[in-house]
Amino acid sequence: DAGITQSPRHKVTETGTPVTLRCHQTENHRYMYWYRQDPGHGLRLIHYSYGVKDTDKGEVSDGYSVSRSKTEDFLLTLESATSSQTSVYFCATVQRDEQFFGPGTRLTVL
Amino acid sequence: GQQVMQIPQYQHVQEGEDFTTYCNSSTTLSNIQWYKQRPGGHPVFLIQLVKSGEVKKQKRLTFQFGEAKKNSSLHITATQTTDVGTYFCAVIPSNTGKLIFGQGTTLQVKP
Repeated sequence: DAGITQSPRHKVTETGTPVTLRCHQTENHRYMYWYRQDPGHGLRLIHYSYGVKDTDKGEVSDGYSVSRSKTEDFLLTLESATSSQTSVYFCATVQRDEQFFGPGTRLTVL
Repeated sequence: GQQVMQIPQYQHVQEGEDFTTYCNSSTTLSNIQWYKQRPGGHPVFLIQLVKSGEVKKQKRLTFQFGEAKKNSSLHITATQTTDVGTYFCAVIPSNTGKLIFGQGTTLQVKP
């Protein structure tokens, strides 16, 4: 599983609160990705990083920010969570075009 | 932006029956990947196709890339209960580091 961990694995929060999800990898991969998965939509890219402090937006980036201060860590922040951000969030890295996914974080915003 | 349409969205089969999911694009693809996600799990890479008309097999799974590189299919022969899950196709648009996923086909297998 390319040594990817995500924390927390489950979180319930209230609308308007900030939330940070963490992705940690041990394989020194350059690229890291954050996706959200919702029924009927498959996996949609939120943000990705191509190196320390180098990030770019994906297709559903509104309401999310990311940071990558170290190769091994990629943080996803919801500045003010909304109910529409209730989802399962997956982090991924890539090696030779093959993506490796973390176990996911199930986030519920009430 | 690049989009891929995947059909069907759901498929229920009896164990032993065959299953096929299709992925279609309006533009020519440089490559296509397939992933499997078991219920409650995370997507796992199955294969990547890059050549026009390419066919690859993994045991009971057959993957095909269309001659025009605008479509792909995954065929499972004689399904088993272990095949249950959601199958996604995914493409990497040229000159990007991004992977765009289809909506997925969820396979249920009745024993």
